[in-house]
Amino acid sequence: AQTVTQSQPEMSVQEAETVTLSCTYDTSESDYYLFWYKQPPSRQMILVIRQEAYKQQNATENRFSVNFQKAAKSFSLKISDSQLGDAAMYFCAYRSLQGGSEKLVFGKGTKLTVNP
Amino acid sequence: ETGVTQTPRHLVMGMTNKKSLKCEQHLGHNAMYWYKQSAKKPLELMFVYNFKEQTENNSVPSRFSPECPNSSHLFLHLHTLQPEDSALYLCASSQEDGDYEQYFGPGTRLTVT
Repeated sequence: AQTVTQSQPEMSVQEAETVTLSCTYDTSESDYYLFWYKQPPSRQMILVIRQEAYKQQNATENRFSVNFQKAAKSFSLKISDSQLGDAAMYFCAYRSLQGGSEKLVFGKGTKLTVNP
Repeated sequence: ETGVTQTPRHLVMGMTNKKSLKCEQHLGHNAMYWYKQSAKKPLELMFVYNFKEQTENNSVPSRFSPECPNSSHLFLHLHTLQPEDSALYLCASSQEDGDYEQYFGPGTRLTVT
């Protein structure tokens, strides 16, 4: 079974600075998806960024980028020019591509605080 | 708004009550999910429905009973719950022949007294 580990329960960053959230996972599969989700306080969880394992190029979405190291099974999220609205819980998730396996496996999350 | 709605947003119930949580998705997706989110624990997948058929039951106690009458609606029927069942219950949907992104509802905050 796959597992996802987020080793940083809490992180903080100054507004306009850069922060990196860590995520490692364990799998024996060669093809899969990885996701970062954001859950602001009392608001809906939304997708931040997605990475297909077969793609070597790291995904980027505006100020958000990932460092995907397949051999190391590492999938960190970098947030550049942090904004107050980035404060949230961030969840790393793994999605198998094996037939009949629709579920996401989530890490425990990292609570990000952005200081003005 | 993600296109997934849940009602009620908050629910307080006694251990002998029967209640239902409702989820509706307006995205035309073919898969729907129930998750339990407790403090300091990873999201726990409870049930998966794909094209209205239950494809996963993650060893959930029988006091939780899902129902999926069509691809747009998902219910979670609750009866004789325990205080440890208090949590945020999240519904999600996805297009399983697409990019696998799951869209989440705002959740129902359940308190069992």
